[in-house]
Amino acid sequence: DQQVKQNSPSLSVQEGRISILNCDYTNSMFDYFLWYKKYPAEGPTFLISISSIKDKNEDGRFTVFLNKSAKHLSLHIVPSQPGDSAVYFCAASAGFGNEKLTFGTGTRLTIIP
Amino acid sequence: GAVVSQHPSWVICKSGTSVKIECRSLDFQATTMFWYRQFPKQSLMLMATSNEGSKATYEQGVEKDKFLINHASLTLSTLTVTSAHPEDSSFYICSAVTLSGGRGPLHFGNGTRLTVT
Repeated sequence: DQQVKQNSPSLSVQEGRISILNCDYTNSMFDYFLWYKKYPAEGPTFLISISSIKDKNEDGRFTVFLNKSAKHLSLHIVPSQPGDSAVYFCAASAGFGNEKLTFGTGTRLTIIP
Repeated sequence: GAVVSQHPSWVICKSGTSVKIECRSLDFQATTMFWYRQFPKQSLMLMATSNEGSKATYEQGVEKDKFLINHASLTLSTLTVTSAHPEDSSFYICSAVTLSGGRGPLHFGNGTRLTVT
């Protein structure tokens, strides 16, 4: 039962353009969402998070949007840079104080120079 | 920023032997650490939650007698894969949260690639 889904296993974007990575979830108890970036043979690196009381959070080139009614979140990267090429995972947790994360299946982003 | 160190980064062992993986929080105290496993091109699957000074909590389907977890101090958790078999070959990643009981992000180690021959 995949409670967090990333339906696009891969995405290619031209350098300088916007990259949009999508994530859907099914568990209505999830109230905190995070995006991680991962290179091969390394652990994930935290990028940005959002609480369910917000619908947008921005940090530099990264913006996360949350649509609770649709149980959907997205990560926007603009402008995209070659160093952004990696696998991106969205993750979710339920309940304050619960640090257990449920991860999506990941989207491999390739930035084309 | 928070640093989590994992050792070794890769290990090859023979079937039937045991392998220990260490996870250390270098610049913070981690009352809770997590162990994940990732198969190729798949998501990170939580195996267990490791709490300092108490028994680990295992996720459904994870054999606690096979994957022994010890969290002896606020900065160290270990995962021992006992009597390893080829199907245990995987990428194991530990993580720790810097704000226990809060909503801080998890910080991950660099993972351990285990190959059982």
